Amino acid sequence: EAQVTQNPRYLITVTGKKLTVTCSQNMNHEYMSWYRQDPGLGLRQIYYSMNVEVTDKGDVPEGYKVSRKEKRNFPLILESPSPNQTSLYFCASSGTWRGEKLFFGSGTQLSVL
Amino acid sequence: AQTVTQSQPEMSVQEAETVTLSCTYDTSENNYYLFWYKQPPSRQMILVIRQEAYKQQNATENRFSVNFQKAAKSFSLKISDSQLGDTAMYFCAYATGNQFYFGTGTSLTVIP
Repeated sequence: EAQVTQNPRYLITVTGKKLTVTCSQNMNHEYMSWYRQDPGLGLRQIYYSMNVEVTDKGDVPEGYKVSRKEKRNFPLILESPSPNQTSLYFCASSGTWRGEKLFFGSGTQLSVL
Repeated sequence: AQTVTQSQPEMSVQEAETVTLSCTYDTSENNYYLFWYKQPPSRQMILVIRQEAYKQQNATENRFSVNFQKAAKSFSLKISDSQLGDTAMYFCAYATGNQFYFGTGTSLTVIP
């Protein structure tokens, strides 16, 4: 089944403790991206990647890192999480970076205490 | 910066009736893409409809259709014969190739 797999679905952590949210797709997609969803703000793009080893900042990249060493994986890293990073996070992918339909993961609800 | 505006935070509609959700966007680009995504309580993001800016014909998908007005930078979603399963948050989105911009969402409730 074609899908974007995101883990974990829920995560509670403390300020400053490094964490990684994993994202993997099995559709051989070139384009992958991360978003955070906050009430009243909609979804905002954090980082995106047009292919292996090609990543770039979205609208809200501060406090986040990403890497794209393999085509299928695009992890989101929070090196020193802070409470303002408490949010619902989505990974998404599409065949290319030319405005195609995004396939979304099921989301990760992160709480930073 | 690109912006997407959804001016209706909440809406409701009677089952079987028609409802229109509004969306406007700001861009200086000529080639771009527009989307409506649905997010039910399960929080899964589901594509409802996609429109390519260079195509003048409005996209339709079964009960869902859009009114795309390029000059006015408007992209409204019409849901016909509303069903209880249409209850969800609806997000309008704009993409210029490699970057996506979402609106703040409209929470739609279908009343039995």
